Amino acid sequence: DVKVTQSSRYLVKRTGEKVFLECVQDMDHENMFWYRQDPGLGLRLIYFSYDVKMKEKGDIPEGYSVSREKKERFSLILESASTNQTSMYLCASTPGTGRNIQYFGAGTRLSVL
Amino acid sequence: GQNIDQPTEMTATEGAIVQINCTYQTSGFNGLFWYQQHAGEAPTFLSYNVLDGLEEKGRFSSFLSRSKGYSYLLLKELQMKDSASYLCAVTTYSSASKIIFGSGTRLSIRP
Repeated sequence: DVKVTQSSRYLVKRTGEKVFLECVQDMDHENMFWYRQDPGLGLRLIYFSYDVKMKEKGDIPEGYSVSREKKERFSLILESASTNQTSMYLCASTPGTGRNIQYFGAGTRLSVL
Repeated sequence: GQNIDQPTEMTATEGAIVQINCTYQTSGFNGLFWYQQHAGEAPTFLSYNVLDGLEEKGRFSSFLSRSKGYSYLLLKELQMKDSASYLCAVTTYSSASKIIFGSGTRLSIRP
């Protein structure tokens, strides 16, 4: 089974802090994604990566950056956390071929105070 | 642009059948996914339709009409554990790896 692991289930940070959300997948998938999920807005794509050191902006990249130094790991960085970044963050990966089913991590619920 | 519409909430009775509809307007439509998401958990894959027609998988079936920009998810013999959000999502030819998600339909099952 594909396993996508997010480093934290819950995080509480203060406004202005630098925040790192880590995601690791164990199936040698090419593509990795970061979403945020808010009530009534569904899943919104922040950034995705289709190869090591490659990244593309999604629909809402402002205030975020990403890093993919190794194929299995995709990090989401909030350079200076703000209260409007309080949300559920979901990481996903896909093989890059075939049906490209997205496999999700359990999510990180981030609260910025 | 891309647009996906599905009802926000639905309620159904245990043992019954429910149909969750999804309409989409996308350029370069490739395929359509349905995901299930229980409260506080990650979405999990249910089905993927590329061709027109019905695909059945146990109690769940998914239908696609490409010409109408329409899909539905049919759940039979409803169980309490089917209470969850159901997410419709599409992919396009221009970026087959990216998925565009609808806002989801929250389904509540009553005894």
